[in-house]
Amino acid sequence: QQQVKQSPQSLIVQKGGISIINCAYENTAFDYFPWYQQFPGKGPALLIAIRPDVSEKKEGRFTISFNKSAKQFSLHIMDSQPGDSATYFCAANRAQKLVFGQGTRLTINP
Amino acid sequence: DAGVIQSPRHEVTEMGQEVTLRCKPISGHNSLFWYRQTMMRGLELLIYFNNNVPIDDSGMPEDRFSAKMPNASFSTLKIQPSEPRDSAVYFCASSGDRAWWEPQHFGDGTRLSIL
Repeated sequence: QQQVKQSPQSLIVQKGGISIINCAYENTAFDYFPWYQQFPGKGPALLIAIRPDVSEKKEGRFTISFNKSAKQFSLHIMDSQPGDSATYFCAANRAQKLVFGQGTRLTINP
Repeated sequence: DAGVIQSPRHEVTEMGQEVTLRCKPISGHNSLFWYRQTMMRGLELLIYFNNNVPIDDSGMPEDRFSAKMPNASFSTLKIQPSEPRDSAVYFCASSGDRAWWEPQHFGDGTRLSIL
């Protein structure tokens, strides 16, 4: 019930393309869904987050799509750039505690 | 503004030794979290504090692990005795409570290797 499942594990996208990472959860008590970006040797950093009563949130090239009935949410990176190459984690929040997905290693080829 | 500060950045020690990891949260944040990151298990929450009080330590793997937060600006995670399977990157994160949900801000971690 506490798991968040993330896919794919790794993703290679050409520069300028769209990167899509998907997550699914079971526990309907989760009340906030952030995405974190992590570069090698660094800690995860918040990228964008969404509440479950919103179906989409966009910040620049990054968009979260949220499907409450399916208990799924996804991150879309438009016009992907080499600087976006990093590991991305989805997460779900309940009572101040974050449960993280397993991560997606994204590589943007120039 | 200074972010979450962790020390040391790297620690290599032999099995059986005591290890102490340190964290200074962002000033004004009242929640502090310790995580462990491994390839096999990903990012796992070990323990979190609110206003210096441990709220949930259900993620602490066993009695060899202990965490303290003696004041609002300092926390430690101690492993005694250490074992090779404790090798991982340990992150500290902090967050405030001014909004309904505030993001957790992570430090850059301590890479721990137990030989």
